[in-house]
Amino acid sequence: AQSVTQLDSHVSVSEGTPVLLRCNYSSSYSPSLFWYVQHPNKGLQLLLKYTSAATLVKGINGFEAEFKKSETSFHLTKPSAHMSDAAEYFCVVSDRTGGFKTIFGAGTRLFVKA
Amino acid sequence: GAVVSQHPSRVICKSGTSVKIECRSLDFQATTMFWYRQFPKKSLMLMATSNEGSKATYEQGVEKDKFLINHASLTLSTLTVTSAHPEDSSFYICSATANTGELFFGEGSRLTVL
Repeated sequence: AQSVTQLDSHVSVSEGTPVLLRCNYSSSYSPSLFWYVQHPNKGLQLLLKYTSAATLVKGINGFEAEFKKSETSFHLTKPSAHMSDAAEYFCVVSDRTGGFKTIFGAGTRLFVKA
Repeated sequence: GAVVSQHPSRVICKSGTSVKIECRSLDFQATTMFWYRQFPKKSLMLMATSNEGSKATYEQGVEKDKFLINHASLTLSTLTVTSAHPEDSSFYICSATANTGELFFGEGSRLTVL
């Protein structure tokens, strides 16, 4: 069965500094991995996805993530945080277990200080 | 890109009534759809896997008779919350998976039971 662990429940950064949100996964098959962002009382917005192509994935709003099979990680980064990045971020794993069942991480709340 | 539409986005109902939430894939055929529930400030919990033309597969702890799922066509899955109670108030999100494994999420439906 697949699983995903987000290592930090909360991350706080200053505006203009780098962001690192950590995610580790386990999967019996070649997984697809996603990062989603959710602003308060809103739906989910896809930031980026990895589906067995390039291991360094670039997403929207300056975010990127690197798939590292040896470390079973898919950490999300951004060089310079903006106030509007403050939100909840979810790492998601999907593989063909159970018909591409998707499993969400617990989420990481990103705080951005002025 | 592919779109998944959920309706209604918000619904308020009285305790004891039933509420139906629709999830539609607008420009692709979804062989599998998933229903999630999100409690306030929590991650998404997978409730069930909905396969077109067959019974849904429910996750452990999810009441089948409370949360009725129907996937009558390749573009529509419905979640009916029967005899709703205030504790059923939540944010419900669906996702749809095409044969390629691509995953698309609806915008979510916020249910409030008075």
